[in-house]
Amino acid sequence: QVQLVQSGAEVKKPGASVKVSCKASGYRFTGNYIYWVRQAPGQGLEWMAWINPNNGGPNYAQKFQGRVTVTRDTSISTAYMELSRLRSDDTAVYFCARGNSGTYKADFDVWGQGTMVTVSS
Amino acid sequence: QSALTQPASVSGSPGQSITISCTGTSSDVGFYNYVSWYQQHPGKVPKLMIYEVSNRPSGVSNRFSGSKSGNTASLTISGLQAEDEADYYCSSYTSSNSRVFGGGTKLTVL
Repeated sequence: QVQLVQSGAEVKKPGASVKVSCKASGYRFTGNYIYWVRQAPGQGLEWMAWINPNNGGPNYAQKFQGRVTVTRDTSISTAYMELSRLRSDDTAVYFCARGNSGTYKADFDVWGQGTMVTVSS
Repeated sequence: QSALTQPASVSGSPGQSITISCTGTSSDVGFYNYVSWYQQHPGKVPKLMIYEVSNRPSGVSNRFSGSKSGNTASLTISGLQAEDEADYYCSSYTSSNSRVFGGGTKLTVL
């Protein structure tokens, strides 16, 4: 079955970086965009970035420009999201999600289980 | 890009119908048909319920339906059931080549 499996929870200090992985299985990895969405405790969903796994082309939300980098390794069907210069308000659950078509305008039909990132001194 | 506007909460009794609105602008909801709805139970992963305004993924109950008029999209749940109690989020593609979510609506089944 189609699934996205994310890396485990992380605890980081302010100013550090975190890299979350998202391993895809059950479909052709290069056929669908991967999106990154985060959710702070008790808050709503917030789109951060997407990546075209076919050519690695990224797109970032303006809010995260300069702090977030998305990459992929097609040999292991894995996408990555790295967030730098962490602040306490970056504490959140980070999700990866698959687009339900081959366009970047797609909606998100399969989600990873989420990765809790805690930023604390 | 500002978040889409949703009511903070809605409620209904079992068997009733409810509608959740999602208001954007002519640069997102009003221009594109890439509007989707997600259901999220506490502590769980969001689930796609409606895509491209009014399409239901395989496995989603036909009690869920979506529509759009102008800059406002709507999610209607008919025959309300206890298991429908959850948070609901809308999302749209935008002319800034980005995605935006609504603030979320908490549905309470009385």
